Amino acid sequence: ETGVTQTPRHLVMGMTNKKSLKCEQHLGHNAMYWYKQSAKKPLELMFVYNFKEQTENNSVPSRFSPECPNSSHLFLHLHTLQPEDSALYLCASSQGRDRNQPQHFGDGTRLSIL
Amino acid sequence: AQTVTQSQPEMSVQEAETVTLSCTYDTSENNYYLFWYKQPPSRQMILVIRQEAYKQQNATENRFSVNFQKAAKSFSLKISDSQLGDTAMYFCAFRGPVQGAQKLVFGQGTRLTINP
Repeated sequence: ETGVTQTPRHLVMGMTNKKSLKCEQHLGHNAMYWYKQSAKKPLELMFVYNFKEQTENNSVPSRFSPECPNSSHLFLHLHTLQPEDSALYLCASSQGRDRNQPQHFGDGTRLSIL
Repeated sequence: AQTVTQSQPEMSVQEAETVTLSCTYDTSENNYYLFWYKQPPSRQMILVIRQEAYKQQNATENRFSVNFQKAAKSFSLKISDSQLGDTAMYFCAFRGPVQGAQKLVFGQGTRLTINP
């Protein structure tokens, strides 16, 4: 069982819809991440939160809006998405201040934009 | 900026054989961390093994070991006695020495198939 839980597992939405992806970690970590995984491309880091503060925004379009209400929860709010946004969205967490500790990943949300 | 390159998009071996996945990276840093992650069809990214650049000894985890060549900036993964459950995408990742939250840079991945 993973210590990082992502919901929903699959999401199909139209370009005009608004939806949210949810991530919850049960590992006591203080850093959380959103990644985008597209076919035939390396994982792309989107956002990083450390102690609820956003520390990295990797030039992500504003149609993706992250929210981190506490160190255990991370959301990705979606609106007016494009077909090229179809991908697997992975959430991860880590013990941010311990540089030797790896990131732990969830199972991802498979997003399809119609 | 750091980059990670995995030159083998796909590999296939027979069960019980040994297979080596290659990874090279580019950085000007001296202290950093390297990781191999496995992503089976279940999609969860699972840590396989990690290496700290200041350690000369190659990391080993059961059937998994690495060949870390710092001067050559090479970090290959060797899987011994391969099993059907090793079938997955394998990603090499780099993390620099900056304190605080981690920023991982991933390679493109290698799809490994273990055949019965």
